[in-house]
Amino acid sequence: AQTVTQSQPEMSVQEAETVTLSCTYDTSESDYYLFWYKQPPSRQMILVIRQEAYKQQNATENRFSVNFQKAAKSFSLKISDSQLGDAAMYFCAYRVEYGNKLVFGAGTILRVKS
Amino acid sequence: KAGVTQTPRYLIKTRGQQVTLSCSPISGHRSVSWYQQTPGQGLQFLFEYFSETQRNKGNFPGRFSGRQFSNSRSEMNVSTLELGDSALYLCASSLDGFNEQFFGPGTRLTVL
Repeated sequence: AQTVTQSQPEMSVQEAETVTLSCTYDTSESDYYLFWYKQPPSRQMILVIRQEAYKQQNATENRFSVNFQKAAKSFSLKISDSQLGDAAMYFCAYRVEYGNKLVFGAGTILRVKS
Repeated sequence: KAGVTQTPRYLIKTRGQQVTLSCSPISGHRSVSWYQQTPGQGLQFLFEYFSETQRNKGNFPGRFSGRQFSNSRSEMNVSTLELGDSALYLCASSLDGFNEQFFGPGTRLTVL
């Protein structure tokens, strides 16, 4: 069974600085997708970024980028120029190549200090 | 385009009762997935429906069931409620199995 581990229950970052959230996963599949979702206090899950396992290039979405290390089964999220609106719970998630079953990590609470 | 909607947003039930939650996907989406979120267990996959058929199922007891209608709207039902069923229930819709999932705002169920 696939598992996703987020080892940082909570992280803090100063506004305008950079923070990296860690995620490792375990799977025997070769083709899969990885995601970072953001859940603010409103509880609305928002997709931040997605990475296809077959792509070697790391995904980037504006201030958000990932460091995908397939061999190490590592998928970290870097948030640059942190903003107050980035404060939320961040979930790392795994999905097999086809199908809509997401396996989530436990989440990391990100606090942004002004 | 309207997002995923879930009704009701909040629900209070007592142990032993049953409950039905509803999810309307984004127009054109044929896949609906359900997740349970609790402080202790985190986010757990319940099941997925695609074109009215259950395509994936998580590790939940048979008290948890679902269905999908021809218009892709989905319902999930929990029978014989237990205190541990108190949770935020999220549904997510997707065009199919390849595209990203969009989540609804959730239904907060409290079992007393």
